[in-house]
Amino acid sequence: DTEVTQTPKHLVMGMTNKKSLKCEQHMGHRAMYWYKQKAKKPPELMFVYSYEKLSINESVPSRFSPECPNSSLLNLHLHALQPEDSALYLCASSLILSATNEKLFFGSGTQLSVL
Amino acid sequence: GQQVMQIPQYQHVQEGEDFTTYCNSSTTLSNIQWYKQRPGGHPVFLIQLVKSGEVKKQKRLTFQFGEAKKNSSLHITATQTTDVGTYFCADNTDKLIFGTGTRLQVFP
Repeated sequence: DTEVTQTPKHLVMGMTNKKSLKCEQHMGHRAMYWYKQKAKKPPELMFVYSYEKLSINESVPSRFSPECPNSSLLNLHLHALQPEDSALYLCASSLILSATNEKLFFGSGTQLSVL
Repeated sequence: GQQVMQIPQYQHVQEGEDFTTYCNSSTTLSNIQWYKQRPGGHPVFLIQLVKSGEVKKQKRLTFQFGEAKKNSSLHITATQTTDVGTYFCADNTDKLIFGTGTRLQVFP
């Protein structure tokens, strides 16, 4: 199994809603990532978890709250989002968090629209 | 902060023509990765370059890492319609930071 699975594929939410994005991998990877991608732009790193601990937070607003319940799962909790937060949210995983030789496997993403 | 720029931003080619995208960093890179993202898809890993001056080939794709490890290039020989997509280099020195990307369109 070399897949990273993200749900839902599409999400529309209002600015007062609370929702969660889910990501799952069964490759035994111990590093998991959240990226945000606006249309025609590169993916931007948001968070990195290493061995279920938050390792990197790229100064992301607190309305985005990541969670890593176990080594296979990664969630992104959303609350009080703004329309400018509409984007494709990509989850990725790698064997470990390392500066060398670790390629990332990406999920298909959740296309989020905030109304 | 660290920036990785790619040129060109867009490239339209006729099928069978060659294509090159260039990646330039303001700082020395420990290693660089290349990803391809098809329209409506997600990034897919292509290759990683680590050594100064390294050249790697994958069929019609040739990847190079500059001698100073500040730039890299991807060259596609005889493009096909299946090559359509956005090609990103990514700086993996500290954490994976994507370059600005080059969008390739191939006309049959």
